[in-house]
Amino acid sequence: QSALTQPRSVSGSPGQSVTISCTGTSSDVGGYNYVSWCQQHPGKAPKLMIYDVSKRPSGVPDRFSGSKSGNTASLTISGLQAEDEADYYCCSYADTYTPNWVFGGGTKLTVL
Amino acid sequence: QVQLVESGGGVVQPGGSLRLSCAASGFTFSVYGMHWVRQAPGKGLEWVAFIRYDGSNKYYAESVKGRFTISRDNSKNMLYLQMNSLRAEDTAVYYCASKTLYGNFDYWGQGTLVTVSS
Repeated sequence: QSALTQPRSVSGSPGQSVTISCTGTSSDVGGYNYVSWCQQHPGKAPKLMIYDVSKRPSGVPDRFSGSKSGNTASLTISGLQAEDEADYYCCSYADTYTPNWVFGGGTKLTVL
Repeated sequence: QVQLVESGGGVVQPGGSLRLSCAASGFTFSVYGMHWVRQAPGKGLEWVAFIRYDGSNKYYAESVKGRFTISRDNSKNMLYLQMNSLRAEDTAVYYCASKTLYGNFDYWGQGTLVTVSS
């Protein structure tokens, strides 16, 4: 159950776009369309932003989008806003020996 | 609206036990799977355990297998995590999270802190 690989940090200016990558293996990200992305502000509980690779829950702005290619999933945030500054975690369903779920190490997004 | 409220955290000595609870409301608890996820201080999220809607299947992270037990009481809309043989590395905020309309981890509780220390 190795963690998915995310960049430690990314940054962008207001109005710009940023993309956060999430790399796994064929046993998790590459094998299933069950990648989720969560946003976490300091001291707060995580919040789901993207599920099933590219779907947005009700209430999540369409500035947030997700995609996947092979073993790498990506979260793109366009039109950056100050409130987007947070930690972002990817998560994937995996089925190595038994069903399990694996998170990425998290990416700190700084809005400059 | 969906609400998940964890309780039961606290300070426990290494080797001790603790039972966490998660009270669910705002959705039909008995038809959805539930997760426990933890976050050590200053660290990232770690999946801990999952239970199917009817309790028929339970899955655990390798790091807790054999020590933690996930369970649920659908008549009370309650999720539980029994934690035995606790270690210092189990120190974390423990969150319950649901698997409802938007798939896994779509709603989260506010978390409860477990500290394992002598």
